[in-house]
Amino acid sequence: DGGITQSPKYLFRKEGQNVTLSCEQNLNHDAMYWYRQDPGQGLRLIYYSQIVNDFQKGDIAEGYSVSREKKESFPLTVTSAQKNPTAFYLCASSDRGAYEQYFGPGTRLTVT
Amino acid sequence: QQQVKQSPQSLIVQKGGIPIINCAYENTAFDYFPWYQQFPGKGPALLIAIRPDVSEKKEGRFTISFNKSAKQFSLHIMDSQPGDSATYFCAASGAAGNKLTFGGGTRVLVKP
Repeated sequence: DGGITQSPKYLFRKEGQNVTLSCEQNLNHDAMYWYRQDPGQGLRLIYYSQIVNDFQKGDIAEGYSVSREKKESFPLTVTSAQKNPTAFYLCASSDRGAYEQYFGPGTRLTVT
Repeated sequence: QQQVKQSPQSLIVQKGGIPIINCAYENTAFDYFPWYQQFPGKGPALLIAIRPDVSEKKEGRFTISFNKSAKQFSLHIMDSQPGDSATYFCAASGAAGNKLTFGGGTRVLVKP
């Protein structure tokens, strides 16, 4: 069953703690992306990676970090430097040379 | 330059009606325009997409109209059903494997 998995579905953390969100894909896609979605708003790009061991900042990278050590995995760390971390986080992937991006089910992070 | 503006923010139609969602972009380098459908608490699903070399594309009950000179594109949902009630996002990209810039979303409610 091919697809993108994100875990956990819901995550709760205290302010000041770093937290890592998981994203795994078995579609053999080269590119992977992290987006943030706030209530009633569109998606904003945090980081993206077009190949293993390489990634670029998106529009709202401050307070986040990523790694891309394996093709199938692209974890996102929300650091304590992120001012408003509570949001719905979406991971996506796309094939080499393809425009279509496919999304995972998302992780809802709540920081109090 | 990178913005995609989407309207309206919300839309209510009766079953069988034709919701129309409009998007406008500024960056003439954009050459891929997808629409995504998102249900509450889920990740967005790719619905239909168009490239600027065609003015219209149909897939089932969903139609994209594209006006390159006006830098606008729209989604029409023919014979809308209550199951089409969701949030719809337009997006644009300038290159394969590159980031998507999203509109703000339109919440569509189809009444039975």
